[in-house]
This record gives sequence, C-alpha cells and structure tokens, in this order.
Amino acid sequence: ELKVEQNPLFLSMQEGKNYTIYCNYSTTSDRLYWYRQDPGKSLESLFVLLSNGAVKQEGRLMASLDTKARLSTLHITAAVHDLSATYFCAVDSNYQLIWGAGTKLIIKP
Amino acid sequence: DAGVTQSPTHLIKTRGQQVTLRCSPISGHKSVSWYQQVLGQGPQFIFQYYEKEERGRGNFPDRFSARQFPNYSSELNVNALLLGDSALYLCASRTGTGKVELFFGSGTQLSVL
Repeated sequence: ELKVEQNPLFLSMQEGKNYTIYCNYSTTSDRLYWYRQDPGKSLESLFVLLSNGAVKQEGRLMASLDTKARLSTLHITAAVHDLSATYFCAVDSNYQLIWGAGTKLIIKP
Repeated sequence: DAGVTQSPTHLIKTRGQQVTLRCSPISGHKSVSWYQQVLGQGPQFIFQYYEKEERGRGNFPDRFSARQFPNYSSELNVNALLLGDSALYLCASRTGTGKVELFFGSGTQLSVL
C-alpha cells in the first residue's frame, strides 16, 4: 500500500525566513504533486514533478524530486505572510492521487 | 474558460438521508475523479471515471456510488448518510487517464446532522 508522509505537519515561522517541507512516499511513482489549500477553499496546483532530479520554481517556492530516495521537498525562501496556507503533496498511483496529511504553514509578520 | 464546477456549494442533511453532488469538468476533459476531504486531513480518493466507465474506486462503502454522463459531467451519490460523511467533497478533472495535471473544483461542503 502506497503511503505518503509529510513533515512537519505544522510550521510557524517569521517573515523573511527560509524553510523546507518534506514529503516521503513508500513505493515508486513517476509523478509527484504539490498543492496549496487556503482555509475553506479548494486545492490549487503548485507543481507537478515528473522525473528524478526535477526542480521547479515559482516565486518564493521551489520543489524538487528525488525518486531514488522517494523524497520531494518544497522550499520556501524569504517567507511572506501571503504564503500562509496548508500545503499537500500527493503521489500519482495509477488512477488516483495518494495524499499526505498536509503541512499547515503560518507565517507571522 | 470555465474551470471545474461543482454544485451545490454547501449542503445540510440529516442521518439516513441521501445526497447527490454534481460536477462539470473543464471543457475537453474526459476524466473525472471524486475525493473526500475530512477537516484537517488530506483528500481520500473515492472514484475515477473516464469515458463514462468507472476506472477506479477507493476504499469507501457501497453507499457511495457515481456515474459519468455522455457530456462528461458526473454525479456522486451517497445513501444512508452517517455523521462521518460530513466532509468537503472535491471533484477533479483531467484530459485523460494518462494526462498529468489534475484540476479541482471548489468543492461541496456536506454537513450531516
């Protein structure tokens, strides 16, 4: 059974700081997704990572994938308050996405 | 272009009732998936449909059923509602089963009292 684990589950940080969210998964997969969710809202696609060594960046967020280690990271650079949200990673397993529990990120001014 | 649309946005039901949730995929998308998200957790896969056929089913009881129509819209039905069915129900679409990006609707918030 494919399992996806995120850590930390909760992160409170100051504006301007850097931090990394980790996503481990238990079996091989060729697609790794990162989504953002604001309270009471739906899921916003951030990144889709398709191959080993893939790195994608959008603004202050950068995601990477190591398929050999079964690990993806979401790095936040110089955090700003607007990045406060819950971040999910998900792994594509045939016809479905298997999701991590989410990382609730609070960025304090 | 319109994104994935779901209706209704909110719904309140009592235990034992039945509910139908609706989803219209992005134009041109033939694959629709349903997910349940309980507060504070990640989404859980319920169903995937492609070209009107069920392609996958998650670990949900038979009270949950779905279908896809010729225009690729979809309905999720839940019978004999339980308190534990209270959740955000999300519909997602993609162009095909082998395609990469999955687009989510805004969801239906179901409360069972």
